Amino acid sequence: QKEVEQDPGPLSVPEGAIVSLNCTYSNSAFQYFMWYRQYSRKGPELLMYTYSSGNKEDGRFTAQVDKSSKYISLFIRDSQPSDSATYLCAMSARIGLTTDSWGKLQFGAGTQVVVTP
Amino acid sequence: GAVVSQHPSRVICKSGTSVKIECRSLDFQATTMFWYRQFPKQSLMLMATSNEGSKATYEQGVEKDKFLINHASLTLSTLTVTSAHPEDSSFYICSARSGGKPNSPLHFGNGTRLTVT
Repeated sequence: QKEVEQDPGPLSVPEGAIVSLNCTYSNSAFQYFMWYRQYSRKGPELLMYTYSSGNKEDGRFTAQVDKSSKYISLFIRDSQPSDSATYLCAMSARIGLTTDSWGKLQFGAGTQVVVTP
Repeated sequence: GAVVSQHPSRVICKSGTSVKIECRSLDFQATTMFWYRQFPKQSLMLMATSNEGSKATYEQGVEKDKFLINHASLTLSTLTVTSAHPEDSSFYICSARSGGKPNSPLHFGNGTRLTVT
């Protein structure tokens, strides 16, 4: 079983709709959660990151973390064709007591999103 | 925001030759950089952690003699694929932590598409 599970899609939505993406994970030690957007043939671009459970909003993007269910989500409101990309979740755990004791990032496989005009 | 520059973006080489890929942090110093490999429709696989002034740390299964990493300064890390073979063809991406702290978000370069003929 992979540590981070993410549906690869593709997820196709009409322009203006809400895009809903999610990842589940098995390691309860994960405390640091990120979402990246990757356009074709480009490197991933950081969208949002959070340490805690709950919601975090940034413009059209909302990240949600539910540590009790080991489930994170990303919502994109008022989706645009330019949002068409692959979205990757990533997370890491603290492996020690000091501030420099974070483990390596574990990535989901990425969900391909297509927003149609 | 933090910028990580990677060069070249695309390279084609013949089997048996070596290829060098550069990764630069443009507006911040990075004592640690990370090299990833990505196959089509798959997630990022961490290959190695590049540490300024010391030897790189390789992930299990990654041949350190084949993938040479040098991190000679706080803004530059290089990955050299030695004696490349067609199976080395892939998308290689570097990243660095902008804040210099282990829990700072990772920023990625735009990747290098390597094709070995």
